[in-house]
Parts: sequence; C-alpha cells; structure tokens
Amino acid sequence: DTGVSQDPRHKITKRGQNVTFRCDPISEHNRLYWYRQTLGQGPEFLTYFQNEAQLEKSRLLSDRFSAERPKGSFSTLEIQRTEQGDSAMYLCASSSRSLHRGTTQEKLFFGSGTQLSVL
Amino acid sequence: AQSVTQLDSQVPVFEEAPVELRCNYSSSVSVYLFWYVQYPNQGLQLLLKYLSGSTLVKGINGFEAEFNKSQTSFHLRKPSVHISDTAEYFCAVQTGANNLFFGTGTRLTVIP
Repeated sequence: DTGVSQDPRHKITKRGQNVTFRCDPISEHNRLYWYRQTLGQGPEFLTYFQNEAQLEKSRLLSDRFSAERPKGSFSTLEIQRTEQGDSAMYLCASSSRSLHRGTTQEKLFFGSGTQLSVL
Repeated sequence: AQSVTQLDSQVPVFEEAPVELRCNYSSSVSVYLFWYVQYPNQGLQLLLKYLSGSTLVKGINGFEAEFNKSQTSFHLRKPSVHISDTAEYFCAVQTGANNLFFGTGTRLTVIP
C-alpha cells in the first residue's frame, strides 16, 4: 500500500498523559497536513509542512500540541497533558503541487486517521 | 476569510433515485472547490474538484458538481445512487496557496 499511513489507528489514554501519532506520507509528496475531526464536524486544519519546514499553524494548535517533520518525510504529532476535549480523529494528508496550464494544482491524499479517546 | 456551509447534515435517499448534496461557500477572493467522500472506517477521498474552466465538473463514481459563482454554490449530484454510495460527503474550499476549509459534512444514506 503506497498511500498515506497513520499509526496507531486507535489510541485510548488517560487525561494528563502524553500521546504521539505518526504519519507516513506518500514518498514523493513534499507537503504534509494535519487535521482534526470531531463528531459531526468537518476536518479542521491544524498545521502543515513543506518538506521539513512547518509553514502554518492553526490557532487550534495550543502549546500542548507540537508537530515535527524532521527529515521532510514522516511526521509526528504530539499532544502533551491530554484533555478530554482532545478526543477526536486526527487525520494526516500529503500532497504535491504542480503547475498545469498556468494553474497550481494540488491533490491531497488522506490517511485513515488516528482515533484518540481521552478518558 | 473563507467558510463552507453544507445545508443538510443527513440525506436519506432510495436506491436508484437521484440525489443532490448542497454546498455554499463565502470568500472575498477566487476559490478552488472540492468534494471529498469518507466511507466508513476509511480516510477521505477526493471525488471531484473545480479549479477553473467549465463550471460542470465530473468526478469519480458517477458524481458531478456545478460551480455557480452568482449563488456561491457547488452542489454535488448523482442521477442514480447505489447502496455503496452510503458515506459522509464533505465540501471544501481553498484559496490560492492556503489550506483547505471543510464543511461539516452530509451523511448520505442509500435505502434499499
């Protein structure tokens, strides 16, 4: 399977614990995104990387959240001192950009997500 | 700022009937528009996208959408649905180099 993979698929943790998720993008993709999806809502943007550089962070990403992409390949998302409100599906997506007839095109490929439950 | 509104949270429809899932957006600049589908226990998949050109866009699995600039809409349609189309559908908007903003989703349930 050469799609976007996320690990683990499910994570159950106690409030106050730290958790780390991993995302392996499609190998030739230089952009990597993290989204969060709660029940009944669409995916909400958290942050994205262009290669190893973190270019944008949402206000949703409090100081308890940190994301890295050290070698411009896989990425990790860490949540420290988890709270019950952090319970959600965390989605990763990767993409590459191309110029086609003067228009920049980008297609995102999403992983299946990591479902976090904070008890 | 951009925003996306999906007017229906749930749409039940009988098999082989037509369906329309509504999406409206707001933006002060030109936008790119997308529809994504999320099948149970799977990640999001791109159904179709509008970047420029023809306002009628055809996607995978027999879906199509029409960009209407005056009504700021991008409704998704399929003339005859199958059981396998049961899923959550998300409309999304993107401006230039910015990231995607998603709607809250519409749950399509196809009834045998």
